[in-house]
Amino acid sequence: DTAVSQTPKYLVTQMGNDKSIKCEQNLGHDTMYWYKQDSKKFLKIMFSYNNKELIINETVPNRFSPKSPDKAHLNLHINSLELGDSAVYFCASSQGTSGGPGDTQYFGPGTRLTVL
Amino acid sequence: QKEVEQDPGPLSVPEGAIVSLNCTYSNSAFQYFMWYRQYSRKGPELLMYTYSSGNKEDGRFTAQVDKSSKYISLFIRDSQPSDSATYLCAMRKTGGFKTIFGAGTRLFVKA
Repeated sequence: DTAVSQTPKYLVTQMGNDKSIKCEQNLGHDTMYWYKQDSKKFLKIMFSYNNKELIINETVPNRFSPKSPDKAHLNLHINSLELGDSAVYFCASSQGTSGGPGDTQYFGPGTRLTVL
Repeated sequence: QKEVEQDPGPLSVPEGAIVSLNCTYSNSAFQYFMWYRQYSRKGPELLMYTYSSGNKEDGRFTAQVDKSSKYISLFIRDSQPSDSATYLCAMRKTGGFKTIFGAGTRLFVKA
């Protein structure tokens, strides 16, 4: 009964390849997020969608493209992978965007991406 | 200067100790303050949530916010080996879409 799930859990690939990470939430939430956590555990927001509309688009290379086919899914596609893309990518969801107590973010288990 | 500063540790304490974890921040517009716990190779999970200034207690955990000093704390009483994890502070503005996280403090509680 996983609330926020991600696939794959591990991804090892060569530089220059294109890869996708998928995220699904079964909490009925309206908002979903992608975060990147580097080797020093620093967690940084990349994108956020609210009702399939992009509301946060941080300074991220345009090799990264999020896609939200519906409210329950948010995928991340990465083109031309580079060594510096190696990190753990977390998907999260929340009910809304106000930041109030009802907008707790629930995180998925993470996808550990290693670029060789 | 980062918006949120947090000492990455590691912090190692004996079982039963009182643990104090802290963050400072620079943006006075932050109103919501959170502490997340992250076990190794897992996603962060919300531990404590505080709005504006004040204290909040939940079992062995107490969160404090001092907006005048732009300083937040998490206290863990009677620490247990199962508390060993990375603790991330986080905050956001009212109506803000973004949650800003600290770097996380790694805590080890030795049996």
